[in-house]
Amino acid sequence: NAGVTQTPKFRVLKTGQSMTLLCAQDMNHEYMYWYRQDPGMGLRLIHYSVGEGTTAKGEVPDGYNVSRLKKQNFLLGLESAAPSQTSVYFCASSRYRGGYEQYFGPGTRLTVT
Amino acid sequence: SQQGEEDPQALSIQEGENATMNCSYKTSINNLQWYRQNSGRGLVHLILIRSNEREKHSGRLRVTLDTSKKSSSLLITASRAADTASYFCATDGDSNYQLIWGAGTKLIIKP
Repeated sequence: NAGVTQTPKFRVLKTGQSMTLLCAQDMNHEYMYWYRQDPGMGLRLIHYSVGEGTTAKGEVPDGYNVSRLKKQNFLLGLESAAPSQTSVYFCASSRYRGGYEQYFGPGTRLTVT
Repeated sequence: SQQGEEDPQALSIQEGENATMNCSYKTSINNLQWYRQNSGRGLVHLILIRSNEREKHSGRLRVTLDTSKKSSSLLITASRAADTASYFCATDGDSNYQLIWGAGTKLIIKP
């Protein structure tokens, strides 16, 4: 099993450009999450999904959109990138609701210039 | 918002020594988890302790939980170079779906 995979691994965007980050999991997990990690800070939840076709806002959702059309995939979109969105983005999934073990992807390092 | 706060922010010890790091949180919890993150990698789950448990072991890891003080500690015994990583605590707080994360303790094991 590959677990949780993320593409791309690295990306550089110019301010105003758009992009989509793809997360895929092969563990048949219901719950999926997108986090951002900034230096000196813990993970902050952007959006999450409790099942196929559902999405919900987390702590820092502004400037991001998500979709979960298939159970195994969770997409994170940036419509108009800003330098403040420079960060490392992690996707995670879990079998049970958020208070239980989460499995993480390797991360995407995004730089917005 | 940050619920968990790890202490210390950074810890450097000799290989073979024990490493202790602490986590404090603010609201009531159902469980608390510890994760490890190697440099440039995703987080890996280490251990989960429920609110009705006081201590839990997993290999060289020992976790304690004091709900009256809203704090937890992670002890790594007989440290190895491979233990060099950042360690994060996460709590479920009062949310059904979200984990609240601390800023992490960066542990360096010197050979």
